[in-house]
Amino acid sequence: DVKVTQSSRYLVKRTGEKVFLECVQDMDHENMFWYRQDPGLGLRLIYFSYDVKMKEKGDIPEGYSVSREKKERFSLILESASTNQTSMYLCASSWPTPPRELFFGEGSRLTVL
Amino acid sequence: KQEVTQIPAALSVPEGENLVLNCSFTDSAIYNLQWFRQDPGKGLTSLLLIQSSQREQTSGRLNASLDKSSGRSTLYIAASQPGDSATYLCAVNGNGNKLVFGAGTILRVKS
Repeated sequence: DVKVTQSSRYLVKRTGEKVFLECVQDMDHENMFWYRQDPGLGLRLIYFSYDVKMKEKGDIPEGYSVSREKKERFSLILESASTNQTSMYLCASSWPTPPRELFFGEGSRLTVL
Repeated sequence: KQEVTQIPAALSVPEGENLVLNCSFTDSAIYNLQWFRQDPGKGLTSLLLIQSSQREQTSGRLNASLDKSSGRSTLYIAASQPGDSATYLCAVNGNGNKLVFGAGTILRVKS
């Protein structure tokens, strides 16, 4: 089975702190994604990566950056956390070739105080 | 810009009932469509994926259909059980890499 692991299920941070959310997948997927999910707004794509050191902005990249130094690991970075970044963050991965099924991690619930 | 709508937003049914969840999308030029299940506070679990060339996919009590020309997909759940209670999301893949999600249908199956 595909395994997408997010290192932290729950985090509480203070405004202005630097936050790292880590995601690791074990299926050698080229594509990896970071989404955030908010009530009433659904899932929105923050960034995605289609190869090591490659990244592309999603729909809401402001306030975030990403790092992909190794194929299996995709990190989401909040340089200076703000309260409006309190959310559920979901990592996903897929192959770039058919069927391109997307597999998700368990999510990281971030609260910024 | 692709938009995905799911109807109904919430559904409550007695155990054992067959039910249908609907998903519609505005741009029929899709690569595939995927149905997910999400339990409270958890990530998304992939249920079924339908390629644009397919009409339906089945897994156990679940059957998903796709009518690309009309921009619609349905998820049929047979003989519903309390364990089926969750939020069901559909997502459309239009350009091969990024999915556009619907807002989801919250399903409650009463025992």
